[in-house]
Amino acid sequence: EADIYQIPRYLVIGTGKKITLECSQTMGHDKMYWYQQDPGMELHLIHYSYGVNSTEKGDLSSESTVSRIRTEHFPLTLESARPSHTSQYLCASRGQGPYGYTFGSGTRLTVV
Amino acid sequence: AQSVAQPEDQVNVAEGNPLTVKCTYSVSGNPYLFWYVQYPNRGLQFLLKYITGDNLVKGSYGFEAEFNKSQTSFHLKKPSALVSDSALYFCAVRDGGDSWGKFQFGAGTQVVVTP
Repeated sequence: EADIYQIPRYLVIGTGKKITLECSQTMGHDKMYWYQQDPGMELHLIHYSYGVNSTEKGDLSSESTVSRIRTEHFPLTLESARPSHTSQYLCASRGQGPYGYTFGSGTRLTVV
Repeated sequence: AQSVAQPEDQVNVAEGNPLTVKCTYSVSGNPYLFWYVQYPNRGLQFLLKYITGDNLVKGSYGFEAEFNKSQTSFHLKKPSALVSDSALYFCAVRDGGDSWGKFQFGAGTQVVVTP
């Protein structure tokens, strides 16, 4: 069962709208990540956080922003959605030690 | 710097035949290696990992992978593929000596198992 939750699973929204993709985890993990995945399959890291009040930009430049006010919550916001933002967004977290990422089910965003 | 290469965009195999998905990596420290599987419109699911110890690691759904340090490879294998194994597979690496280190994912390999 998933211990990391992404809401919504699917979202269709008009150009120019502000949206927030929710990501929450119940495992107490400090490290959290956002990936963008296009239909071409490859994962691109867009944001990450190592704890409360810590946020960093990832390898792929993104117009989105993130916040980390609580350990369990790592929302991603797009101030003005555009069709180029259409993609799947995956949230992940990791605990201390030799562990892998735990991924959420993803949010598939379509901007029309 | 670290990198992962999955040289095949797609692997086609008949049901019942052995399945191999290739992965090579580069990392400056000790490699922590992972395989994930992704089904359509889903997140990634953990299959198995190599941290230390036995070079052959066994994971979920009958999958296994062999760590080869000299060839810097971590190929995923299954002796007898099922149609339900059709999915997207990702190899990932991170530096085990860096507790803050991020994962580097390969580009993914689509596995198609035909009946």
